[in-house]
Amino acid sequence: EAEVAQSPRYKITEKSQAVAFWCDPISGHATLYWYRQILGQGPELLVQFQDESVVDDSQLPKDRFSAERLKGVDSTLKIQPAELGDSAMYLCASSLAAWTGLETQYFGPGTRLLVL
Amino acid sequence: KQEVTQIPAALSVPEGENLVLNCSFTDSAIYNLQWFRQDPGKGLTSLLLIQSSQREQTSGRLNASLDKSSGRSTLYIAASQPGDSATYLCAVQGAQKLVFGQGTRLTINP
Repeated sequence: EAEVAQSPRYKITEKSQAVAFWCDPISGHATLYWYRQILGQGPELLVQFQDESVVDDSQLPKDRFSAERLKGVDSTLKIQPAELGDSAMYLCASSLAAWTGLETQYFGPGTRLLVL
Repeated sequence: KQEVTQIPAALSVPEGENLVLNCSFTDSAIYNLQWFRQDPGKGLTSLLLIQSSQREQTSGRLNASLDKSSGRSTLYIAASQPGDSATYLCAVQGAQKLVFGQGTRLTINP
């Protein structure tokens, strides 16, 4: 069964350093999402892509976070500089078609970030 | 702004019991409601998706209901097993994005 791939699975970094996370969605999925999940809370959407275009990045802290999906396939989320409050699980998800509100999102295993 | 609340935050029951998890949301203008399972340190697995025009969905021992007018959904788990121990999250799909509750951490005791 096809799955969403993410790497690394774990990342420990010091504050002010740069970190990057990678996501490879299920083949053929046009929509890709990045979520941040703080321990004990539900995931919150950071950015949504439709193919290579950003559809929603209203909750992305753009002073330090950036996301790209250059060829409309895999995606990278970057944080520079990392802050203590960025410690969280970063989840990538994908869904099949152009957004209709009816399809399921498939989630990857996540990247757990710890900022010291 | 859509808000999703799940009660209780944690639940512990003996194996074999039937149980109900609750989810409420503030804005009834939704496309669908989904229930996810999350094991510790892992990603989310979709369990059930109920479209806004539907009242319930069933998958094996799981049954989810949706009452859009009252802003409520329940996830019913029959004959619980230790392997059902996980965090269960409900999420509401609005016009813009999927909004999650904070989850219910379920423990099934052998």
